[in-house]
Amino acid sequence: DAGVTQSPTHLIKTRGQQVTLRCSPISGHKSVSWYQQVLGQGPQFIFQYYEKEERGRGNFPDRFSARQFPNYSSELNVNALLLGDSALYLCASTTANSYEQYFGPGTRLTVT
Amino acid sequence: AQSVTQPDIHITVSEGASLELRCNYSYGATPYLFWYVQSPGQGLQLLLKYFSGDTLVQGIKGFEAEFKRSQSSFNLRKPSVHWSDAAEYFCAVGSITGNQFYFGTGTSLTVIP
Repeated sequence: DAGVTQSPTHLIKTRGQQVTLRCSPISGHKSVSWYQQVLGQGPQFIFQYYEKEERGRGNFPDRFSARQFPNYSSELNVNALLLGDSALYLCASTTANSYEQYFGPGTRLTVT
Repeated sequence: AQSVTQPDIHITVSEGASLELRCNYSYGATPYLFWYVQSPGQGLQLLLKYFSGDTLVQGIKGFEAEFKRSQSSFNLRKPSVHWSDAAEYFCAVGSITGNQFYFGTGTSLTVIP
């Protein structure tokens, strides 16, 4: 089975632009979470979605939003990009009642 | 407030030596605890987890961790380190409801021959 996949692998954007990152969970996994990992730091929780509903939200501004589709894939959107949004964005998927998260390789976002 | 502290930013050990990585957490309820490893350019891989029961848990790659409620700690150990263990290690705590997850800042492990 394929693992969690994320696209694109790398992305360069300019301040003020908007970006959309994509994640496909492991087949059979209905929950997707998003994390931001700034260089030299641990991942910070952004969102968790289950069955297309937001189940959890971290301490991020409203510029960050996400959604989950009927096939359980997910998108993370960030508006009005700031230099500080430069980071590795990780997606993780789990089964319905499991806390064991499987992480994708991430999308490296650079904001210039 | 929930938080995870990994006091050691960087650790260097000789191959074959034992390893202990420290993790302390602050959490208002019964925590679910995890250790992950991240190799350069790779995603996070789960090493082991603790939900309840036996406080000494075994994981993959020969790692184990011990949950000590009185010390709010969940330290990771390995009796004999291999060169391939060089990586970044993250401790994390999750909520019972599964909708919140907090990582520490990580410990970078270097293994010398």
